Amino acid sequence: GAVVSQHPSRVICKSGTSVKIECRSLDFQATTMFWYRQFPKKSLMLMATSNEGSKATYEQGVEKDKFLINHASLTLSTLTVTSAHPEDSSFYICSAKRGTEAFFGQGTRLTVV
Amino acid sequence: GENVEQHPSTLSVQEGDSAVIKCTYSDSASNYFPWYKQELGKRPQLIIDIRSNVGEKKDQRIAVTLNKTAKHFSLHITETQPEDSAVYFCAASLDSNYQLIWGAGTKLIIKP
Repeated sequence: GAVVSQHPSRVICKSGTSVKIECRSLDFQATTMFWYRQFPKKSLMLMATSNEGSKATYEQGVEKDKFLINHASLTLSTLTVTSAHPEDSSFYICSAKRGTEAFFGQGTRLTVV
Repeated sequence: GENVEQHPSTLSVQEGDSAVIKCTYSDSASNYFPWYKQELGKRPQLIIDIRSNVGEKKDQRIAVTLNKTAKHFSLHITETQPEDSAVYFCAASLDSNYQLIWGAGTKLIIKP
């Protein structure tokens, strides 16, 4: 099946710093990618839809200035958590669809200390 | 917009028994319904899906049924095994719309 690679898998950062997470579709082109946040034992919460060559579409309640999304190419979308705080600690996971099937990255465990 | 509800949130069954997870959706235009399995610490992976022109689909021990009139679909796992323990998510979408609307997830526990 298709492969979506997410990097890094784990990151620990200091409060106030920024962290960039990359999501790549390795063997297909993805004009649209999705960024989710997943709290422990909870479902996938869609944060934003990343559109190649245009602005991302953010879900209600998600701060676009805090979670910067860039989808500069058909195979790469990035999520930057700016001025991170401990409450931003979470599991972030991206996905890209090929046809109707969604393929997920490995996820990134972000810990802000 | 579409809303997907999933039940139960936790399901515990004896190894060898069957497990059934149910989802309902609100938008009658939705026509694609996948099920994903997420093992602890891993990414969700598609295990089975069904389109609205089909009422049932089977793949070995896993089956999905769809009732378009009632707008609900279910995942059936027979002869459950320890490796079936995971969180299962249902979702709904339109073919023409890339966004999947997710259910809240069901934690399936297989008791030895």
